Amino acid sequence: NAGVTQTPKFRILKIGQSMTLQCTQDMNHNYMYWYRQDPGMGLKLIYYSVGAGITDKGEVPNGYNVSRSTTEDFPLRLELAAPSQTSVYFCASSLTGLNTEAFFGQGTRLTVV
Amino acid sequence: GDSVTQMEGPVTLSEEAFLTINCTYTATGYPSLFWYVQYPGEGLQLLLKATKADDKGSNKGFEATYRKETTSFHLEKGSVQVSDSAVYFCALSGDTGNQFYFGTGTSLTVIP
Repeated sequence: NAGVTQTPKFRILKIGQSMTLQCTQDMNHNYMYWYRQDPGMGLKLIYYSVGAGITDKGEVPNGYNVSRSTTEDFPLRLELAAPSQTSVYFCASSLTGLNTEAFFGQGTRLTVV
Repeated sequence: GDSVTQMEGPVTLSEEAFLTINCTYTATGYPSLFWYVQYPGEGLQLLLKATKADDKGSNKGFEATYRKETTSFHLEKGSVQVSDSAVYFCALSGDTGNQFYFGTGTSLTVIP
């Protein structure tokens, strides 16, 4: 019962560095999402995907990129890390997106210094 | 656009007290509504959900009723326990299903 798995759990990056946050799900869900969680701000959608090969921007996509080559995996790429990207990142998946809940990973706490 | 507004926190209650966390929403069409709970250092877990008007979601003593006339989905529990201490998020999924909209979260601390 792995569900949604994110790696790494913690990461410190220097300004300008790049990294990829990994996300994989084993529930055969079509929809996958990346959210960032900032204190007192709730969760903001970065990117989402409705199936392999299809991605679209959410509310706060600037500074990030995604790809969805398989149903299972949905990595999030930060190309040039900035302090404003310090946050907790959550990957989630849902079966259809309609009337079904989202399942969340444990999160990645990223600090950019 | 779609949005969720939930009660500001933090909330501190004594064990066995009654809990209400208010949540109202704005959405076109017929959204699905959810309450998620987040324990320290963990991801969000679904607490309960309702997919149509007048539905009542319930789990672990928590309840919430989907009220379309007042666009509300308030979370209630009759007797809280220390183990209920967590952050609670109200959320909705709109007609397109392309994303979930979350409230800002309400931190609950229950003291013995």
